[in-house]
Amino acid sequence: DGGITQSPKYLFRKEGQNVTLSCEQNLNHDAMYWYRQDPGQGLRLIYYSQIVNDFQKGDIAEGYSVSREKKESFPLTVTSAQKNPTAFYLCASSNGGSYNEQFFGPGTRLTVL
Amino acid sequence: GQQVMQIPQYQHVQEGEDFTTYCNSSTTLSNIQWYKQRPGGHPVFLIQLVKSGEVKKQKRLTFQFGEAKKNSSLHITATQTTDVGTYFCAGGRVTGGFKTIFGAGTRLFVKA
Repeated sequence: DGGITQSPKYLFRKEGQNVTLSCEQNLNHDAMYWYRQDPGQGLRLIYYSQIVNDFQKGDIAEGYSVSREKKESFPLTVTSAQKNPTAFYLCASSNGGSYNEQFFGPGTRLTVL
Repeated sequence: GQQVMQIPQYQHVQEGEDFTTYCNSSTTLSNIQWYKQRPGGHPVFLIQLVKSGEVKKQKRLTFQFGEAKKNSSLHITATQTTDVGTYFCAGGRVTGGFKTIFGAGTRLFVKA
């Protein structure tokens, strides 16, 4: 059963702690993306990776970090430097070129207390 | 930077009424994609338009891409409660940087 998985679905952390969100895909897609969605807002791009061992900053990369050591995995770390980390985080992947449709995971809702 | 503007932000309709959301870019797009996100869910791809003036239909949904490839619309005929959710357009950049930019979305509420 192919798709994108994100875990956990809900995550609570104390202020000042780093937290890593998992994103795994078995679609054999080259490109992977991380988006942040705030209530009533659209999708803002945090980081993206078009190939293994390479990634680029999106529009709101400050306070976040990523790695792409394996094709199927693209974890996102929300660091203590991110001033307002409470949000819904969506991971996506796409095949081939950047214009192809993106397949989204179920998302992780992060709440920082 | 380049943005894709989407209006309206919200739309309340009575079941059976039509609904339209519009997407506008200041620069020419290579393509436009539309996604639907149900409440509490994640965006799901609906369709992609590539050609100038292209029109595509999916049952009660009609998608258009403008002649100048700077705007697009999604029209739903005779809305149903199952149409509830947020509709996003995503435009493909022609030059420079990351290739796809999402609009802020239009949230559709349907009253039975």
